[in-house]
Amino acid sequence: AQSVTQPDIHITVSEGASLELRCNYSYGATPYLFWYVQSPGQGLQLLLKYFSGDTLVQGIKGFEAEFKRSQSSFNLRKPSVHWSDAAEYFCAVSTRLNYGGSQGNLIFGKGTKLSVKP
Amino acid sequence: DTEVTQTPKHLVMGMTNKKSLKCEQHMGHRAMYWYKQKAKKPPELMFVYSYEKLSINESVPSRFSPECPNSSLLNLHLHALQPEDSALYLCASSPGQGSSGNTIYFGEGSWLTVV
Repeated sequence: AQSVTQPDIHITVSEGASLELRCNYSYGATPYLFWYVQSPGQGLQLLLKYFSGDTLVQGIKGFEAEFKRSQSSFNLRKPSVHWSDAAEYFCAVSTRLNYGGSQGNLIFGKGTKLSVKP
Repeated sequence: DTEVTQTPKHLVMGMTNKKSLKCEQHMGHRAMYWYKQKAKKPPELMFVYSYEKLSINESVPSRFSPECPNSSLLNLHLHALQPEDSALYLCASSPGQGSSGNTIYFGEGSWLTVV
């Protein structure tokens, strides 16, 4: 069965420090992978996605993620964290709901809460 | 512009009330979704509409009734809810075709409190 694991429930980093959020997935086929961010009381915003091709993908707000098939990982990184990055981060893998269909459900990890120290 | 608009942002309803949540997207997406999110949990899929037809119902109780009047609109009708149904309800959409067909975009959500 497909699954996503985010090993870190809560991470605290200092403003200006680098960030890496871990994500491991279990999926039998080539995965479609996503990172979403959710600020308190808000919906989910898509940060970046990986479908195929270059394994290092760039997203919005200065985030990037690297797909490593050998490690079944899709870790999110940012070189310098800003206070506004404090939020909940969800890694997700997309599945195909119907054969031949292109709408996909998302299997989410449990999320990592990021706190930023001044 | 990747925008999914949900109304209302907040809703308080009694257990005997009938209310509706509304969702709209103008991106030409052909798949629309309802998710439910409880505090400190990831979203859970409730319903999927594909090309205006209900394609997935994740065993959701009948007190939740989805409706897709056209390709841009998605409603969730609520009746006889329980306090445990209080949650953030997220609408989402995806292109449903093409190389990015699986990319799901979320709205800001509707906070529902059942009293």
